[in-house]
Amino acid sequence: DAGVIQSPRHEVTEMGQEVTLRCKPISGHNSLFWYRQTMMRGLELLIYFNNNVPIDDSGMPEDRFSAKMPNASFSTLKIQPSEPRDSAVYFCASSFRGIWPQHFGDGTRLSIL
Amino acid sequence: AQTVTQSQPEMSVQEAETVTLSCTYDTSESDYYLFWYKQPPSRQMILVIRQEAYKQQNATENRFSVNFQKAAKSFSLKISDSQLGDAAMYFCAYRSGKETSGSRLTFGEGTQLTVNP
Repeated sequence: DAGVIQSPRHEVTEMGQEVTLRCKPISGHNSLFWYRQTMMRGLELLIYFNNNVPIDDSGMPEDRFSAKMPNASFSTLKIQPSEPRDSAVYFCASSFRGIWPQHFGDGTRLSIL
Repeated sequence: AQTVTQSQPEMSVQEAETVTLSCTYDTSESDYYLFWYKQPPSRQMILVIRQEAYKQQNATENRFSVNFQKAAKSFSLKISDSQLGDAAMYFCAYRSGKETSGSRLTFGEGTQLTVNP
């Protein structure tokens, strides 16, 4: 299996632009997580999907952030408009019937100028 | 609120030797899960080992084992026969066993492990 696939690996954009991060979970996994990692705050859960349904989105910082999972093999995390404080590494993770992340992607390093 | 503390920002070990990484946590719950994740320079987080609080037996995964002391709220990770590929940042994490907690993991600050040849 190819593992959890995230794209892009790096993203640099200017403040105010829309940013879309993508994730393909491991085939057969029905739980998907989006995490954000910064030096100041460490790892934070943004949102958790189970069977494509958002179960816990209490970690989504504000209305500028939105996440979707239209099917079992694809999820997006969108930031609109982006701000410099959104700069971080964003991880997607998946698991099979798990309530914790088992497999992480390589992350997307996002820099907002 | 639960907290997870890793008091060792950095550790080093000689190849083939054993190293123990410390983790303590604070909780009033009796049902929970504890984890160790590894993040190598490649950045990808890897689940190393998991422990359910109701299990008295310490979890083991090949060269990785834990010392779970529930009363002391301690959850240390022992790496035996250390290999160069073990070099990484190691995170301890806690998850409540309550269904209403969603899927939130509380992570420690991490311990950077260096393996010297």
